[in-house]
Amino acid sequence: QVQLVQSGAEVRKPGASVTVSCRASGYAFTAYYMHWMRQAPRQGLEWMGVINPSDGSTTYAQKFQGRAAMTRDTSTDTVYMELSSLRSEDTAVYYCAREEIQRLSRSEFDYWGQGTLVTVSS
Amino acid sequence: QTVVTQEPSFSVSPGGTVTLTCGLSSGSVSTAYYPSWYRQTPGQAPRTLIYSTNTLSSGVPDRFSGSILGNKAALTITGAQADDESDYYCVLYFGSGIWIFGGGTKLTVL
Repeated sequence: QVQLVQSGAEVRKPGASVTVSCRASGYAFTAYYMHWMRQAPRQGLEWMGVINPSDGSTTYAQKFQGRAAMTRDTSTDTVYMELSSLRSEDTAVYYCAREEIQRLSRSEFDYWGQGTLVTVSS
Repeated sequence: QTVVTQEPSFSVSPGGTVTLTCGLSSGSVSTAYYPSWYRQTPGQAPRTLIYSTNTLSSGVPDRFSGSILGNKAALTITGAQADDESDYYCVLYFGSGIWIFGGGTKLTVL
């Protein structure tokens, strides 16, 4: 069965970096984009960016360009999201979610990870 | 910066019909934005209801439907049930790999 399993909760000080991992299983890793979203406490969902595991190409929301970096390891079917220069406003639950790669259309974020809480506090 | 707009809150009576909308701060939503709808209950990851405007996600009852109404995407729930009480998010595709979520609608069933 399809599973996206994320790494555990993290606590960081302002200015530090954090890396969250998302390990995929149960499907062809390179056939699906992997998106990253986050949700601050009592706030809505925010799309951060996406990686194509097939070639490693990435697209980031303007807000995160230069501060987020998404990478993948096809030997372990794992995607990583690093966020640097952390500030208190980055405290949130971070989610990965897959989307089927389609040549002429877009699809749904059909499977999500369980979420990873990142707390930024001095 | 384009903003995706949703009603902050909405209420519906049990058994009733409600339509939530998803618009743009500037311009009209069309099928080219591949509007999708997600439902989220507290402490859980979101779950797809509708994608590509009106495609029902697997396992979602046909009480849920999607459409374009005027210049907005719309999610209609018919026969509302108590467990439809959730947060509902739309997300739009802006091309070049970019997606933007709306602020979400808190639906109350009472």
